[in-house]
Amino acid sequence: DAGVIQSPRHEVTEMGQEVTLRCKPISGHNSLFWYRQTMMRGLELLIYFNNNVPIDDSGMPEDRFSAKMPNASFSTLKIQPSEPRDSAVYFCASSLTARIQETQYFGPGTRLLVL
Amino acid sequence: AQKITQTQPGMFVQEKEAVTLDCTYDTSDPSYGLFWYKQPSSGEMIFLIYQGSYDQQNATEGRYSLNFQKARKSANLVISASQLGDSAMYFCAIGSGGSEKLVFGKGMKLTVNP
Repeated sequence: DAGVIQSPRHEVTEMGQEVTLRCKPISGHNSLFWYRQTMMRGLELLIYFNNNVPIDDSGMPEDRFSAKMPNASFSTLKIQPSEPRDSAVYFCASSLTARIQETQYFGPGTRLLVL
Repeated sequence: AQKITQTQPGMFVQEKEAVTLDCTYDTSDPSYGLFWYKQPSSGEMIFLIYQGSYDQQNATEGRYSLNFQKARKSANLVISASQLGDSAMYFCAIGSGGSEKLVFGKGMKLTVNP
């Protein structure tokens, strides 16, 4: 079975450009999570969806970040405009249900570098 | 609010030896779950093991076991018979408060020497 799929795997862009990260969760999973990992702050939850509905976006840094989940098999995280401090690895994860004991399975991540 | 503390920045272990990775947690919720993930140098996050707060027995998954001490709020990961491929960052995480959110620790680096 395919795991969580993320694209692109690497992204290099210039400050001010729009960046769109994509995620396809594991088929049948109802919850989807976007994380950001940096050396300084570690792994942070940005936003999560349950049944395509955003439940908690308190981790989204600022209005430059937005996330959507138009259907059960696709989500995007958009940064507009991008800034050098947004450079990080962005992970998407999915879980079967929205219970605390449900394991989250991570995608390979997108390494973003904003110059 | 929940919190995970991993105080060991790095550990070294000889191949085939057992190693314990420390994790302490804090939560006021009686129902919670504890997770361990492995992140090799390639970057992916790999789920290793889960322990529920109401589980009567310590979780085990192959060479991984979780030493769960509820009163001490610790959930240490034990890796038996270390292999070179175990060299990676290891993250402890907690989910509680009726939320699907996971809070991760800072991680610790394990190096397995031949």
